[in-house]
Amino acid sequence: GNSVTQMEGPVTLSEEAFLTINCTYTATGYPSLFWYVQYPGEGLQLLLKATKADDKGSNKGFEATYRKETTSFHLEKGSVQVSDSAVYFCALSRAGGGADGLTFGKGTHLIIQP
Amino acid sequence: KAGVTQTPRYLIKTRGQQVTLSCSPISGHRSVSWYQQTPGQGLQFLFEYFSETQRNKGNFPGRFSGRQFSNSRSEMNVSTLELGDSALYLCACSDVPNTEAFFGQGTRLTVV
Repeated sequence: GNSVTQMEGPVTLSEEAFLTINCTYTATGYPSLFWYVQYPGEGLQLLLKATKADDKGSNKGFEATYRKETTSFHLEKGSVQVSDSAVYFCALSRAGGGADGLTFGKGTHLIIQP
Repeated sequence: KAGVTQTPRYLIKTRGQQVTLSCSPISGHRSVSWYQQTPGQGLQFLFEYFSETQRNKGNFPGRFSGRQFSNSRSEMNVSTLELGDSALYLCACSDVPNTEAFFGQGTRLTVV
């Protein structure tokens, strides 16, 4: 079946540091890939997405590239801010549609210190 | 454009009781999915509805059920509550199934 693996953390960085959160997946075919962010006490917000190999999703300074050859979708940001502190989830949806929802990683807790 | 609305935000129930949670999706979004989020298991898929039909269900016991109405609003019901049902229940909607999903703020259920 489908699965997503990501570092769980917590990951602690200083403000303005470079961020990488690794995400790898197992799936048949060509799933769509997503990064979601969850702030304390809130639901999930879609951060970015990519629907085919070599696509780069980007939003709010965050980027991730769909790498089919390494089955990865690593999240990066050049300079993090305190306000980026949150839990980040990598997710995929099954290729070709299907009704089994999104498959999520366990989430990475990111803490940015001033 | 209004977002996904889940009610209530918080619930405290006693073991053995039942509970109904509600989700109103973004206007025009006919696909509604439910997820359970716990510290131990993370985010787990419960079920998905599209045009009032349940398309699939995750690996949860029959105590978990749901339905969708003609206006796309959805409800999920948990009967005979157990302590382990304590979780954040998230509703997500999309205009087409299995595309980017928009989440509500969730309902925090505590079973005592």
